[in-house]
Amino acid sequence: DTAVSQTPKYLVTQMGNDKSIKCEQNLGHDTMYWYKQDSKKFLKIMFSYNNKELIINETVPNRFSPKSPDKAHLNLHINSLELGDSAVYFCASSQIAGVPSAYNEQFFGPGTRLTVL
Amino acid sequence: DAKTTQPNSMESNEEEPVHLPCNHSTISGTDYIHWYRQLPSQGPEYVIHGLTSNVNNRMASLAIAEDRKSSTLILHRATLRDAAVYYCILRDPGTYKYIFGTGTRLKVLA
Repeated sequence: DTAVSQTPKYLVTQMGNDKSIKCEQNLGHDTMYWYKQDSKKFLKIMFSYNNKELIINETVPNRFSPKSPDKAHLNLHINSLELGDSAVYFCASSQIAGVPSAYNEQFFGPGTRLTVL
Repeated sequence: DAKTTQPNSMESNEEEPVHLPCNHSTISGTDYIHWYRQLPSQGPEYVIHGLTSNVNNRMASLAIAEDRKSSTLILHRATLRDAAVYYCILRDPGTYKYIFGTGTRLKVLA
């Protein structure tokens, strides 16, 4: 069974479109994350939710809106897509967030490669 | 956020040990040292973590300098499957996030 899954794996779309990426984890974790990995392979956190509550919101354009319908799912919706949004987006989850814990191994999904034309 | 410095790339022969260095001279007393790796076309995966003492697990060993300003990830016998980008990350236990650096791309030669 896949621990953290993302759909779709590949997404090719035109500038200006709106798209969503879905993420699901079956690990029973409380916390989920979205990361962006750009063409230079630099991996940067975007958002994090703990039990459906936003706890990390890095400097990301407000065209990006995460939504967590339940603690097993964290979806990423992107409005008015731009060329610079082309990247690989990774979802991750970890067990504990509310209690400060340095040992908080994150499990990553396989990534969604978004290409904006 | 404390920063880490790693070599951009390293090479190793198959079945030989590999020592991947990481400098973190601005580490604070509460920062944990984490290592993740990213295999080609996959998401990152956890390797090991530690605070002050050296650590071993089934994947690797982590050697931490006495002053904690540097650490070394040790792969005891590199295999072709270990070819990946290895990230050294400092994590304050009071935060929820990892700050990934540029990592070290490890190439394993058959």
